[in-house]
Parts: sequence; structure tokens; C-alpha cells
Amino acid sequence: QSALTQPASVSGSPGQSITISCTGTNSNLGTYNLVSWFQQRPGKAPKLILYEVSMRPSGVSNRFSGSKSGNTASLTISGLQADDEADYYCCSYAGSSTYVFGSGTKVTVL
Amino acid sequence: QVQLVQSGAEVKKPGASVKISCKASGYSFINYYMHWVRQAPGQGLEWMGIINPSGGSTSYAQKFQGRVTVTRDTSTSTVYLELNSLRSDDTAVYYCARGSESANWGQGTLVTVSS
Repeated sequence: QSALTQPASVSGSPGQSITISCTGTNSNLGTYNLVSWFQQRPGKAPKLILYEVSMRPSGVSNRFSGSKSGNTASLTISGLQADDEADYYCCSYAGSSTYVFGSGTKVTVL
Repeated sequence: QVQLVQSGAEVKKPGASVKISCKASGYSFINYYMHWVRQAPGQGLEWMGIINPSGGSTSYAQKFQGRVTVTRDTSTSTVYLELNSLRSDDTAVYYCARGSESANWGQGTLVTVSS
């Protein structure tokens, strides 16, 4: 399984909205609505911010939202804050109890 | 609260094996799948495998088939990852993560493979 494709970096100014794409294939994103997004700060374990495309775990800000169309999932961060600066990874179920991560996106707050 | 506590850092020589543990607490161990994910220095996350602690069934990424084994001990609520025939590019932080959506993560275990 090849990694899902994400842009290497995305940047935005405080208060703006940014969107991170995650592109897969018919074998993963195109077939299953089991897409999760993780935020990872340097030296820390990843943190789940969205699951099942658009569901937010308890405690995660509603500034994080998700969607999916065809083979591409998207994470939108609205009202960008300095604290949002981190790496973001998508992850999709790929069938037969296997999963695949995205290549990761570094978000910079200008 | 849910806690996943992993074993400490390991240094191994090429060709050796490593076995990392992940001890779970704060929830019903057999009711949640457990993933293993690794991250090489400066690189992204890589999914390695999953175990159903209830029956012990496993699934692995094709890349690691034949070289990785995930097991569990229900008496101690612990999941193990064993990786054989280590190479230098296996140097990474290895994480366990709970549940099909990986809602909780261990603190990570650094495995360094060096001659």
C-alpha cells in the first residue's frame, strides 16, 4: 500500500481557514468512510482530531472539520491559531483489516 | 483514564530482533483493537499492524509481512510488537494506538538499529 498523498506544507495567517487534502485510491479512500486525521507536535505522539471522515472526539475544537469526495478527503482548520502549527496526517482503512497513513502536511501559521 | 505505557528504548544490531510492549489500563482491554505505528526520524507515520485482543487475530502491512509479529497477553493487558531481521532503516519511534480510530496513543519507544 502506498501512502496517501498530502501536500508537504500548508500555511495561513491567524484567523484564516486552511484545507489539507488527502488523496488515495479506490482501494482505500474511495471505498471506505473510515478516514481519521491526526495532529502531531514535535516530539509528541499523534493526537486524533477527526475520525470517520468528520467526527470529532470529545475535547477537539469545532474549528477542525472534515469531508470526503471520491478518493480525496479534506481537513479544514478554520480560525487558524498559532497553536495549530503542527504536522497533520490522514489515515484510511484499506480493507482486510489494514490501514494506510498519508504522507503528512506541515502547517505553518504566518 | 485510558493509559498505554510502552517499554523503554532499545539499541539493536543489524540482523537482531526487538520486542516492544504496550501495557494498557483504564478500559476493557479485549474490547479495543490495538495498532502499531512507527515513525522514522524526520519522517511520517507508517502503519505496521493491528491485533484484536479478544481473539488474537492480526493483520499486517504487506511491507512487514514475515518480519513482524503482534501478540497479546490478556492476563496483563499487554500487547507486544516483535520485529525481526532488523536493518538500519528500522530505526524509528514505535507507537501503539488503541481502537480502530486510534484515539489513544502510547508514549512511543525509540528503537535504534546500529552496528
